[in-house]
Amino acid sequence: DVKVTQSSRYLVKRTGEKVFLECVQDMDHENMFWYRQDPGLGLRLIYFSYDVKMKEKGDIPEGYSVSREKKERFSLILESASTNQTSMYLCASNPGVGVLYRREQYFGPGTRLTVT
Amino acid sequence: KNQVEQSPQSLIILEGKNCTLQCNYTVSPFSNLRWYKQDTGRGPVSLTIMTFSENTKSNGRYTATLDADTKQSSLHITASQLSDSASYICVVRGTSGTYKYIFGTGTRLKVLA
Repeated sequence: DVKVTQSSRYLVKRTGEKVFLECVQDMDHENMFWYRQDPGLGLRLIYFSYDVKMKEKGDIPEGYSVSREKKERFSLILESASTNQTSMYLCASNPGVGVLYRREQYFGPGTRLTVT
Repeated sequence: KNQVEQSPQSLIILEGKNCTLQCNYTVSPFSNLRWYKQDTGRGPVSLTIMTFSENTKSNGRYTATLDADTKQSSLHITASQLSDSASYICVVRGTSGTYKYIFGTGTRLKVLA
């Protein structure tokens, strides 16, 4: 079974703090993703990584950065947390090779971040 | 613009009843469509995945249909159970772009005893 784990289920931070969210997958997947999920909106892609040290901006990268030093680990960094970054953050991974339609995304349990 | 729209936004049914959730999309060119179940406070879990050549796919009490001509999909839940209470998300992937999954906003289903 694919396992995607996230470092925290719930996190409360203060405005201006630097926040690190960590994601680890155990299936040797090339691709890893960070999304945020807000009520009434579909999942929105923040950043995507297709290999170690490689990253691409998603649809809403402003205020975020990422780090992928090892294949299994993908970190999301909020440089200076703001209240509008209060959200559910979901990490996902999928294999980078193989038939396109079989590349299912596997999601972590999510981190509910509150910035006060 | 590539979009995925789901209806209804929310639904309440009694335990044991059937229900059908809808998904319309404008993503082109199309690769595949997935339905996910997301329990409150949890990450989405895949139910089905279909390519353009597949019309129907079942996973237990869940049956998904796809009409690639009209760009519509439905998820039918048979004999609902309390544990079916969750959000159901339709996700469409195009063939271009490495990472482009387009997510619907989901249908929130509540099953009452």
